[in-house]
Amino acid sequence: QKEVEQDPGPLSVPEGAIVSLNCTYSNSAFQYFMWYRQYSRKGPELLMYTYSSGNKEDGRFTAQVDKSSKYISLFIRDSQPSDSATYLCAMSDSNYQLIWGAGTKLIIKP
Amino acid sequence: EPEVTQTPSHQVTQMGQEVILRCVPISNHLYFYWYRQILGQKVEFLVSFYNNEISEKSEIFDDQFSVERPDGSNFTLKIRSTKLEDSAMYFCASSVGGFRTEAFFGQGTRLTVV
Repeated sequence: QKEVEQDPGPLSVPEGAIVSLNCTYSNSAFQYFMWYRQYSRKGPELLMYTYSSGNKEDGRFTAQVDKSSKYISLFIRDSQPSDSATYLCAMSDSNYQLIWGAGTKLIIKP
Repeated sequence: EPEVTQTPSHQVTQMGQEVILRCVPISNHLYFYWYRQILGQKVEFLVSFYNNEISEKSEIFDDQFSVERPDGSNFTLKIRSTKLEDSAMYFCASSVGGFRTEAFFGQGTRLTVV
């Protein structure tokens, strides 16, 4: 069963806080894990891409994958009002199809 | 910066009519995709296209849908005999090498079937 669960939020935090966004999944065949950011009325924009388990850091963003728990996370440090958007997790097995979470709406309050 | 371009941005059509959604992928990309997002729902995969043929499609992508790369730059999604439930945002994406590489998304076409 290909299913990805993500809390839709909204998640509201003050500017400068550390944000933690999470997804769980049921298909152990998933190997590729992505986080996308989507602003209102725009297409998804890739933020982070990880393969298999482990951590990946890019600037203020850190992605973590725990395949044993079927759990992935995106951390945003020093959050800014411009980070306010919907964050979508997506994942794939060895084929071309991305399976998406519902997206978490994030609001950063100045 | 190269980008995926979709036209039109908004399409209104009557139920039963055919629509063609157009996309210009990034020029050196080889893999092309269509996704849709019904308002308030998850992004859903429709189809992937590589080497002038469909490489994978979802259950949503039935005989009502077809894709084509009519020339070296355009990638189109045709929806025949549209239904009310086809109303959604349709996103085109392209990538260099499948989902092992970054997929870039267009701004989307909002399809409204009335």
